[in-house]
Amino acid sequence: KAGVTQTPRYLIKTRGQQVTLSCSPISGHRSVSWYQQTPGQGLQFLFEYFSETQRNKGNFPGRFSGRQFSNSRSEMNVSTLELGDSALYLCASSLTQGMGEAFFGQGTRLTVV
Amino acid sequence: DAKTTQPTSMDCAEGRAANLPCNHSTISGNEYVYWYRQIHSQGPQYIIHGLKNNETNEMASLIITEDRKSSTLILPHATLRDTAVYYCIAGSSNTGKLIFGQGTTLQVKP
Repeated sequence: KAGVTQTPRYLIKTRGQQVTLSCSPISGHRSVSWYQQTPGQGLQFLFEYFSETQRNKGNFPGRFSGRQFSNSRSEMNVSTLELGDSALYLCASSLTQGMGEAFFGQGTRLTVV
Repeated sequence: DAKTTQPTSMDCAEGRAANLPCNHSTISGNEYVYWYRQIHSQGPQYIIHGLKNNETNEMASLIITEDRKSSTLILPHATLRDTAVYYCIAGSSNTGKLIFGQGTTLQVKP
């Protein structure tokens, strides 16, 4: 079956702009989580959605937001982009809320200039 | 979530078993031990997880000490494709929140 799909794969944005990233989970998976990966901070948890509700949130400013649709697809939005937001953004899906076997997408590489 | 401690890097000869240790001395009773790996420029890949008992799947074995303060991931016959960063994570099964540490860079050598 198809894996987790993230679009776009690469993005270049200017400081101050906003960006929306998309994640399509594996069919049947209802939980979607988002992570930010940078060379300095490593992999950091952003938030988790399950049944269209945000269940957990990491320690990120309010400029980072997300949502989940009824078909479990999820979007992540970053407003007022800063240079430090340049990172690989990863999405993971799992069958139910909680851990265990989470499947990650290839990520979206965001560069802010 | 409990913090985990792993060696920064390890080498392993191709075909030999790779044993990756992880310390999680502050793990609580309802926290699982999860292992993921990340091959350069790809998303992390789930390997295995366990609570108290040792676990085995087609990829690896997970040995958890009786006091649950540490664990070892075993790749029985390492190949060059197993070269990756391996992350040990202690987390609750009630959330989808994974706290990744710095991981262990495993280099499998011919």
